[in-house]
Amino acid sequence: AQTVTQSQPEMSVQEAETVTLSCTYDTSESDYYLFWYKQPPSRQMILVIRQEAYKQQNATENRFSVNFQKAAKSFSLKISDSQLGDAAMYFCAYNSNYQLIWGAGTKLIIKP
Amino acid sequence: NAGVTQTPKFRILKIGQSMTLQCTQDMNHNYMYWYRQDPGMGLKLIYYSVGAGITDKGEVPNGYNVSRSTTEDFPLRLELAAPSQTSVYFCASSYGGELYAEAFFGQGTRLTVV
Repeated sequence: AQTVTQSQPEMSVQEAETVTLSCTYDTSESDYYLFWYKQPPSRQMILVIRQEAYKQQNATENRFSVNFQKAAKSFSLKISDSQLGDAAMYFCAYNSNYQLIWGAGTKLIIKP
Repeated sequence: NAGVTQTPKFRILKIGQSMTLQCTQDMNHNYMYWYRQDPGMGLKLIYYSVGAGITDKGEVPNGYNVSRSTTEDFPLRLELAAPSQTSVYFCASSYGGELYAEAFFGQGTRLTVV
């Protein structure tokens, strides 16, 4: 079965510090994309970053970067210099056959 | 920029009632999706469409129906509402079905069945 596991239901971090959210997945496919989406209290789903499984280089978008370990099927998200606006639910997902397979999410709390 | 628009944002239904959740997108995307999000869970795919006139079931289609008569619109129909359908519903669209395609989401509909 294709699954995505986010083992941290909730994480908290001090403003301006760095936090890492973990994600593991299980797939038998050889080519796929992995995504991190952010869902603030407004409920709007926003793409944060994406990673192609064939690329060894980790994706980076400003303060957001990933640590992609293909053999371990691990795809963690690192947020540097955390800001109050980063407070949200974060979902890990991968694209399989027209649909996104989602993890249960991690609630990120930013302490001022 | 409108993007993906869902209506209504909130709705309370009584058991056995029917309703249609509306979804429209103005990005000329071929692919559209309906997801539901239960508390503490990720999103689960209900139905999807790869173009006008073409729809297919996702992971949790029971109790729902869809149609896609135009590229822009993808309504979701609940025929006989049940408490198990209490959830937040998201409509999404993407330009194509490619693996890298970013999905754009509406703001969701919170549905409560009592």
